[in-house]
Amino acid sequence: AQSVTQPDIHITVSEGASLELRCNYSYGATPYLFWYVQSPGQGLQLLLKYFSGDTLVQGIKGFEAEFKRSQSSFNLRKPSVHWSDAAEYFCAVGTEYGNKLVFGAGTILRVKS
Amino acid sequence: GAGVSQSPRYKVAKRGQDVALRCDPISGHVSLFWYQQALGQGPEFLTYFQNEAQLDKSGLPSDRFFAERPEGSVSTLKIQRTQQEDSAVYLCASSLATEQYFGPGTRLTVT
Repeated sequence: AQSVTQPDIHITVSEGASLELRCNYSYGATPYLFWYVQSPGQGLQLLLKYFSGDTLVQGIKGFEAEFKRSQSSFNLRKPSVHWSDAAEYFCAVGTEYGNKLVFGAGTILRVKS
Repeated sequence: GAGVSQSPRYKVAKRGQDVALRCDPISGHVSLFWYQQALGQGPEFLTYFQNEAQLDKSGLPSDRFFAERPEGSVSTLKIQRTQQEDSAVYLCASSLATEQYFGPGTRLTVT
């Protein structure tokens, strides 16, 4: 069965610093990979997705992620964090077109000024 | 345009009560998903509809959980004889292709 691991429960970065959130997945075939962000009391918003092709994908709000098959990873990055980026971030894997998602436990991002 | 809406946003139920949670998907979206998000956890899949057909209900934790989408649009998740372990946020998502759009969720608290 597929699974997703987000090793960091909490991460604190200074405003303006760079950010990398880690995500490792377990799945035998090529996965569909997603990053979602959830602010308190809000639903999940899609930041970016990978299906195939270029392994570096760009998303909204200045985020990007890189798919590395050899490491089974899909880490999320941002070069300069803004205070409004404080939220919880979820990595997810989908195994078939249009099918259910399996989520990691999430990483809570805190931004200090 | 309108996104996915869910009602009620908050529900407090006494243990043993039945509850019904509603999801209004984005118009025209064929696929609809329900997820359960316990405190401090990521969402976990419950069930999936394609139009009115429930194609996957492998995530429903017990036979107390029941979901329907009779006309292929609005969906209702029903939980019978609620237990404390049912306390969670219930998220609904709809999809036309591969991207799922999530509603704000219903926070269920069972006392």
